[in-house]
Amino acid sequence: KNQVEQSPQSLIILEGKNCTLQCNYTVSPFSNLRWYKQDTGRGPVSLTIMTFSENTKSNGRYTATLDADTKQSSLHITASQLSDSASYICVVSANYGQNFVFGPGTRLSVLP
Amino acid sequence: DTEVTQTPKHLVMGMTNKKSLKCEQHMGHRAMYWYKQKAKKPPELMFVYSYEKLSINESVPSRFSPECPNSSLLNLHLHALQPEDSALYLCASRLIGQSGANVLTFGAGSRLTVL
Repeated sequence: KNQVEQSPQSLIILEGKNCTLQCNYTVSPFSNLRWYKQDTGRGPVSLTIMTFSENTKSNGRYTATLDADTKQSSLHITASQLSDSASYICVVSANYGQNFVFGPGTRLSVLP
Repeated sequence: DTEVTQTPKHLVMGMTNKKSLKCEQHMGHRAMYWYKQKAKKPPELMFVYSYEKLSINESVPSRFSPECPNSSLLNLHLHALQPEDSALYLCASRLIGQSGANVLTFGAGSRLTVL
């Protein structure tokens, strides 16, 4: 069964600190993996997209990694800001884009 | 234009009302999606249109009626909804058949409250 798990479920950090969010998936055939940021009551916004051959990709303070062998991805946020408070959703595309499997999300709260 | 535009942003309706949610994109995407999202949960797929034809209906109750009048527009007609249908409704689209096709672009969502 295609499935995406994320950990932790929620996370509280202080402004300026770094954090890492995890995504494990059992999706086949794998097409790509995307991290989205979703502010409360708003639509998800794409942060990074990882294909099978990519190990690391950065977008400003966000760095995503992908280990296709262990089927794990991480999203590292450096020097967190208050505006980083949001849900972070890992979405894996399967079957050449026919299916999108959503993780449950990690709720990040950045405190001053 | 790299956006998916949803209107209205907020909608409050009674259980006997008829209303519609609208979604528009001009990126040439030929697959369009409706998702329903409850608080603190991931989006749940409702409908998928490919080339303006309904390709997936995830056993959604008939009080939700999708419509895709052309390749840029997607509507969701609402009638006789229940309070538990209150949620954030997300529209998404994706390219078909080219490099970069396997990614979803989301709209900002329509917050629906059913009284």
